[in-house]
Amino acid sequence: KAGVTQTPRYLIKTRGQQVTLSCSPISGHRSVSWYQQTPGQGLQFLFEYFSETQRNKGNFPGRFSGRQFSNSRSEMNVSTLELGDSALYLCASSQLYGTIYEQYFGPGTRLTVT
Amino acid sequence: KQEVTQIPAALSVPEGENLVLNCSFTDSAIYNLQWFRQDPGKGLTSLLLIQSSQREQTSGRLNASLDKSSGRSTLYIAASQPGDSATYLCALQTVGLVFGAGTILRVKS
Repeated sequence: KAGVTQTPRYLIKTRGQQVTLSCSPISGHRSVSWYQQTPGQGLQFLFEYFSETQRNKGNFPGRFSGRQFSNSRSEMNVSTLELGDSALYLCASSQLYGTIYEQYFGPGTRLTVT
Repeated sequence: KQEVTQIPAALSVPEGENLVLNCSFTDSAIYNLQWFRQDPGKGLTSLLLIQSSQREQTSGRLNASLDKSSGRSTLYIAASQPGDSATYLCALQTVGLVFGAGTILRVKS
């Protein structure tokens, strides 16, 4: 069974631009979560989607948004990029929404904002 | 607000040693705890999941325990190998996963 895939793997953008990252969950998994990893703040939860609905949200500004499609694939969008948005963005999938399900992570998208 | 602390921040050991990584948390009202491994520049690999009703889980040379009353979890690695070198992260499931800062492990051959 294929793992979680994320595209693109690397991205360089300029301050003020916007970016869209994509995540395909493990087949059969319906929940997708997004995380940001930076050297200063570590891993932080952005949001979780299940059945095309955002179920939970972390403490990030409204410039960070996401969506989930009927096939459970998810996209994350960051508008008006700032230098501090440079990070590794990880998505994770789990079978169902809920707190007892193991999360499986993709390889991440490395975003560099210049 | 849930806070997760991992001790030590870094650890260097010779091959073959048994070792213990520690994770502590402030709020015992957790659902589950998951241990991950992260290799440099890569995503996270799930090692063990302990549900809140469980006390421990084992997989191969790895054993993780959970003591909610004291707010602690430990990851025990037996007979360490150079391939175990990585950053080990513990994470608690609340609203999303709340991660510790990790323990950087280096196993010397």
